[in-house]
Amino acid sequence: EPEVTQTPSHQVTQMGQEVILRCVPISNHLYFYWYRQILGQKVEFLVSFYNNEISEKSEIFDDQFSVERPDGSNFTLKIRSTKLEDSAMYFCASSPRTGVKNIQYFGAGTRLSVL
Amino acid sequence: AQKITQTQPGMFVQEKEAVTLDCTYDTSDPSYGLFWYKQPSSGEMIFLIYQGSYDQQNATEGRYSLNFQKARKSANLVISASQLGDSAMYFCAMREGGTNTGFQKLVFGTGTRLLVSP
Repeated sequence: EPEVTQTPSHQVTQMGQEVILRCVPISNHLYFYWYRQILGQKVEFLVSFYNNEISEKSEIFDDQFSVERPDGSNFTLKIRSTKLEDSAMYFCASSPRTGVKNIQYFGAGTRLSVL
Repeated sequence: AQKITQTQPGMFVQEKEAVTLDCTYDTSDPSYGLFWYKQPSSGEMIFLIYQGSYDQQNATEGRYSLNFQKARKSANLVISASQLGDSAMYFCAMREGGTNTGFQKLVFGTGTRLLVSP
């Protein structure tokens, strides 16, 4: 069964460093998302992406964050200068189409630890 | 205001029993979707079941069913014949409607931790 793949599973970085989290969405999907979950809290939306541009972003997704689809398969989230409060699980998701019945399938997540 | 409310931080159930996890939601949009996801201790988010606001029947997927009460704005997850592997965090989520608008984000509740005992 096709699945969303995220790498790495765990990323440790120093405060102020740049990190890139990688995702390979399900191949025929058109919509891509990033969410984050701070330990013990609920999952929060960061950004949605369609047709090579951002569809929507939350207030969390400030200038330190960017997303890119550098080729036909990868979807990346970059954090330019990490802060301690960026420590969280980051989930990539993809969905095949828009509309209400639009199931988002999640990857296994990347746990980001900022020291 | 909370869009999705899960009032049960934790639930216990014995193996083979049924359990209901509560979820209430708030929206003024007539078109929306409701989702349940399971998050085991390994951390991944697994889609379980979907209910559309216009669906006439309650959704079912194997041992999972969704008790959708539109007037009450509730979308409770029912797990029948619980198994030890059902022990996990369960999240209710909603997406408000609109097609081709980009408003496709999911809003999650705070989750319910389910523990299934032998």
